[in-house]
Amino acid sequence: QLQLHESGPGLVKPSETLSLTCTVSGDSITNSSHYWGWIRQSPGKGLEWIGSLYYIGRTNYNPSLKSRVTISADTSTNQVSLKLNSVVAADTAVYYCAKHSGVASFDSWGQGTLVTVSS
Amino acid sequence: DIQMTQSPSTLSASVGDRVTITCRASQSIRGWLAWYQQKPGKAPNLLIYKATTLQNGVPSRFSGSGSGTEFTLTITSLQPDDFATYYCQQYNIYPFTFGPGTKVDI
Repeated sequence: QLQLHESGPGLVKPSETLSLTCTVSGDSITNSSHYWGWIRQSPGKGLEWIGSLYYIGRTNYNPSLKSRVTISADTSTNQVSLKLNSVVAADTAVYYCAKHSGVASFDSWGQGTLVTVSS
Repeated sequence: DIQMTQSPSTLSASVGDRVTITCRASQSIRGWLAWYQQKPGKAPNLLIYKATTLQNGVPSRFSGSGSGTEFTLTITSLQPDDFATYYCQQYNIYPFTFGPGTKVDI
């Protein structure tokens, strides 16, 4: 059974880099059928797709965040990482990782992790 | 970006009611629409994809319809477990975008 689990610091200072990891179990992130996405949810902006990664290193990012986002994979640990730099208070949100199969709906989600941006 | 809107934003209903939520896209997304249910403190859960296809394990009282720019999610005979917030999402083109949600409460 596929499981996704987000982890990382719950508090990040303004202007610093938010770094999160999604650990995937029950399947390999190199499965050619799957994409691995990051979505965030804040009270002010609802659900926002951040970007997605295909295992061969192909990525798609939301243009609104593209200049600050990097999504990468570590196949040795079966993890997908998110880095968001130069964070501001508006980046405070619950961050989810989720699986989709190409241009498709998100059919498996992690439980989410709250990240607060504050000094 | 494709903008998604939902109506109503809040819906008060009772157990046994038939409930309909509408989702509209700012341009045609053909049938590339998903519906999710989210309960407080939990991740969204996929209910319907490709506008009308029920995800495995989702009760048959949920159904979806529509294409192009207008879609509906219907819950026949609302159950206590169905009180939640529902979101639509388009995946016709990047960036994927979500609707603002419809909260179904008592």
